[in-house]
Amino acid sequence: GENVEQHPSTLSVQEGDSAVIKCTYSDSASNYFPWYKQELGKGPQLIIDIRSNVGEKKDQRIAVTLNKTAKHFSLHITETQPEDSAVYFCAAKIGRSYIPTFGRGTSLIVHP
Amino acid sequence: GAGVSQSPRYKVAKRGQDVALRCDPISGHVSLFWYQQALGQGPEFLTYFQNEAQLDKSGLPSDRFFAERPEGSVSTLKIQRTQQEDSAVYLCASSLPGQGTYEQYFGPGTRLTVT
Repeated sequence: GENVEQHPSTLSVQEGDSAVIKCTYSDSASNYFPWYKQELGKGPQLIIDIRSNVGEKKDQRIAVTLNKTAKHFSLHITETQPEDSAVYFCAAKIGRSYIPTFGRGTSLIVHP
Repeated sequence: GAGVSQSPRYKVAKRGQDVALRCDPISGHVSLFWYQQALGQGPEFLTYFQNEAQLDKSGLPSDRFFAERPEGSVSTLKIQRTQQEDSAVYLCASSLPGQGTYEQYFGPGTRLTVT
């Protein structure tokens, strides 16, 4: 099955700085890569996703890049704000499966 | 519109007790997923329904875990003879595949503590 590794486990930045979270996956058949944000006491919420036929996708301050050859993808958050503080999860989904495999999460702390 | 709801939000059970966790998906969502999230970990897949059919239960950790979705909407995850290692947050998610999206909408979860 798919294996997803996520780094770092904790990331602390100053407000206004950029934050980058990196994930690697094992199965080259994976074709869908969502990123979720989970705030305390809440369920994960999709913030951005990318498919294997695209190398980069951007939505305001958030961008995701995908390198299929190296089997890694990254989340980039620019101009971080305290409300960006949360746990972020990457995930990868194989082919026709509906079931994604999640990374272990990155706790992002943005200091005002 | 209303999102995915789960009840109860918190459940404390003594070891050996049975528990039932409920998930109300978004109306019209065909697919429903259950995940187990241990402290400091990502969600781990438990089981998947498409309408009332349980298409994948490969993630259920033991035969003490059972899930159903008899009418293709509300789902219940039942854990029999709870053990301390069952303590976790149980997340439910629903989605509407077939429209070119795989987005899953998660509920807030049920935090189960087994004492």
